[in-house]
Parts: sequence; structure tokens; C-alpha cells
Amino acid sequence: AQKITQTQPGMFVQEKEAVTLDCTYDTSDPSYGLFWYKQPSSGEMIFLIYQGSYDQQNATEGRYSLNFQKARKSANLVISASQLGDSAMYFCAMREGKTGANSKLTFGKGITLSVRP
Amino acid sequence: DTEVTQTPKHLVMGMTNKKSLKCEQHMGHRAMYWYKQKAKKPPELMFVYSYEKLSINESVPSRFSPECPNSSLLNLHLHALQPEDSALYLCASSHRLDRGLPNQPQHFGDGTRLSIL
Repeated sequence: AQKITQTQPGMFVQEKEAVTLDCTYDTSDPSYGLFWYKQPSSGEMIFLIYQGSYDQQNATEGRYSLNFQKARKSANLVISASQLGDSAMYFCAMREGKTGANSKLTFGKGITLSVRP
Repeated sequence: DTEVTQTPKHLVMGMTNKKSLKCEQHMGHRAMYWYKQKAKKPPELMFVYSYEKLSINESVPSRFSPECPNSSLLNLHLHALQPEDSALYLCASSHRLDRGLPNQPQHFGDGTRLSIL
């Protein structure tokens, strides 16, 4: 079974509007972390935001916020006031805590976001 | 600018060549990673080093040989590669991997775009 699911094939948003990128996950580990990365066409994977399974509040980093719904196992990324430079591929990823030194970062398939001027 | 530096940025090699990819970080991270990424796909984990020791090998063919000379450097030695090995190779680093602490983001370099002729 897929551990991270990103089903939106591609998203379009008008500049200055907000956009939500969906991510659902599957784990039986009570301790886990959820990450969002941005990958522009240049190739670099840029860490955006982190949400821990025990965090009481939704994470926020500047224009990025994470809508964390633990019971639904979803961790959607919200980008406010979209900019042209936000056009990129976005990956949701999870790391489970139980496996310690052999822990891996599991990525979803990614979502392509295009910001229209 | 990324804090993980990868060289070279582009590499074209024949199937009989021997080359090396290099990765360097000065963030004091003790875990380092190699990923392979095909276009429009998520990164695939290849190797993980924890405290300069190989922790994970994801059944990677022996034509890829990782090396971690010290805590700041990670190499990937390439020999007798196949055309299907053409991809973006990403290096990443993070703080140490500890049981029950899944909150360490991996920081990625810009990657090396490898083409096998």
C-alpha cells in the first residue's frame, strides 16, 4: 500500500491567490514526521515545512501552512498569495520514527503547480 | 544558495567510463544520502550513511559504489553504467537518525544531471 498519496495531477492558480496541495498518508507508527518539498525545474529539492505527529498546532512558515488533520491522515500544504516563482513540483514526504537509524523518507508522486500571471 | 554542494552539475559519460559524483556539507550533519530521480518522478533512495557508516543500501547495482571519507563528504563512484542510469542524482544530509525522532528534514543539493551515452 502506498504510504504517501498525492492524487492531484497538476494544479493551476492565479498569481496572488491561495492554493491547497493535497497529501494523505498511511502509517501505524504513532511517531512520524511529515515534510513538504518544492522542486523547481532547476532540480534542487527545497525543504518547505514540517509537521510532527505529536504537534498540537498546524505548522506555518511564511506563506506556507500545513492543514494537518490527524484523524483523516491528511497533511495538505496551503500556499497563500501565490507568486510566479512558486511554479514547481511539490512533494509530500513522511518519515516514521520507529525504525531509527534505518528510517527512510518516503515521498509521494508529487504535484505540479503552475502559477498564472 | 543550497548548503549541500554537489559537483559536477552535469556529467556525460560513456558506458565504459569511470567517474565520481561528489557531495559536501558543512552543517554538522551525520547522516548523508544518495537519491536517483527520473524526470517527473519522486526521488528514489539509493544509499544512507550514518556516522560515516553505510546504513542502508537499497539493492543498488554494484556499478554504483558509495564512499563516505569523512563526516562532510560523500562520493558516488560510477563504473560501467547503462543508459537507463541517466537521471538526476541528488545528495542530501540531515542531523543524526535517532529512534523516535522523525523530525529532521533532509537538506538537498542541486543535483548532478547524468547522461550515459
